[in-house]
Amino acid sequence: DVKVTQSSRYLVKRTGEKVFLECVQDMDHENMFWYRQDPGLGLRLIYFSYDVKMKEKGDIPEGYSVSREKKERFSLILESASTNQTSMYLCASTRTGSYTFGSGTRLTVV
Amino acid sequence: AQRVTQPEKLLSVFKGAPVELKCNYSYSGSPELFWYVQYSRQRLQLLLRHISRESIKGFTADLNKGETSFHLKKPFAQEEDSAMYYCALSGHGDNDMRFGAGTRLTVKP
Repeated sequence: DVKVTQSSRYLVKRTGEKVFLECVQDMDHENMFWYRQDPGLGLRLIYFSYDVKMKEKGDIPEGYSVSREKKERFSLILESASTNQTSMYLCASTRTGSYTFGSGTRLTVV
Repeated sequence: AQRVTQPEKLLSVFKGAPVELKCNYSYSGSPELFWYVQYSRQRLQLLLRHISRESIKGFTADLNKGETSFHLKKPFAQEEDSAMYYCALSGHGDNDMRFGAGTRLTVKP
């Protein structure tokens, strides 16, 4: 009964490539989020969206953008991947209150 | 600004011992506090939230507004409690959440 699905579990991309990370939820949640998870730093909020076509910057939006064309889908875009964007990326959604997380995408930029 | 501090990156206890994972927060308004847990090879999941005042898997956490803390406690740790624990905060009525750096708990046999 997977509710938040991230399309890729592992990705390896080259420096300078444009990277798309996809997240889909089937719970009809308004709010969706992208975090990156790094050892010793915890989860840091990149971007979030509270409605279709709406987006808000989180704490570390530099180098990223997002797209929310449909309620169920929230995409994270790395315009030009860099090695410091190597990380675990987590998508989450909520109607209000506690989050449901995806299983994560481990991105390696070489 | 919201900030969550988990002062211990690593915590190791023996099975049956009490365990306390510390969490302090900084927020000017009325916060909602959560504990999330990530077991090995599993996705991050909610453990408990302060407004529900539940005990989940034997864990409890009390919001202390005076000390701005939300420590997670369990009187008798079990090996299956070994995991990464994150404290998180959102403002009342807000949906964006901020997480601490996490504490890796290891319960030794």
